[in-house]
Amino acid sequence: EPEVTQTPSHQVTQMGQEVILRCVPISNHLYFYWYRQILGQKVEFLVSFYNNEISEKSEIFDDQFSVERPDGSNFTLKIRSTKLEDSAMYFCASRGTGGTSQPQHFGDGTRLSIL
Amino acid sequence: AQSVTQPDIHITVSEGASLELRCNYSYGATPYLFWYVQSPGQGLQLLLKYFSGDTLVQGIKGFEAEFKRSQSSFNLRKPSVHWSDAAEYFCAVGARGTDKLIFGTGTRLQVFP
Repeated sequence: EPEVTQTPSHQVTQMGQEVILRCVPISNHLYFYWYRQILGQKVEFLVSFYNNEISEKSEIFDDQFSVERPDGSNFTLKIRSTKLEDSAMYFCASRGTGGTSQPQHFGDGTRLSIL
Repeated sequence: AQSVTQPDIHITVSEGASLELRCNYSYGATPYLFWYVQSPGQGLQLLLKYFSGDTLVQGIKGFEAEFKRSQSSFNLRKPSVHWSDAAEYFCAVGARGTDKLIFGTGTRLQVFP
């Protein structure tokens, strides 16, 4: 079964540094998402992306964050100047066509640790 | 605003026992409803979904869920739990006109032999 893959599985970064989290969505999917889960808390929506544009973003997704689809297969989340509170598990997801009733398929996540 | 409540933070059952995990949502219209499972160190795997039609939906691994509009609930059930079902279970709601999922806080399931 096709999977969403995320790299790296664990990223350790100094506060203030830039970090890029990478995702390869399922190949025929056109809708892409990032979510995060701070340890012990619920999974929170960050951003959705379609047709090379952000479709929707949460209040968490401020100017420090950006997303990009640099080529036909990768989808990235960049945090420009990381803060301690950015430490979390970041999940990428993708969805096929058929409307928002179609399920989002999630990767295994990248654990981001900010020191 | 949409919200999801999972009242049980932690549930412990014996292997072979039945299971019901509760989920209540708040949304003005009929939402799209999903249950995901997260095993330790893993991502979120879709168990089942509801968006219309039959209110009892079947999922993978022997799970089912029932949508009850009158109670704004979408509880997950399994008649006989296996030790491999130990994981964290998340209920999520989506809505027409938005593409984001709103997750509950999750229920951690522990299974004793």
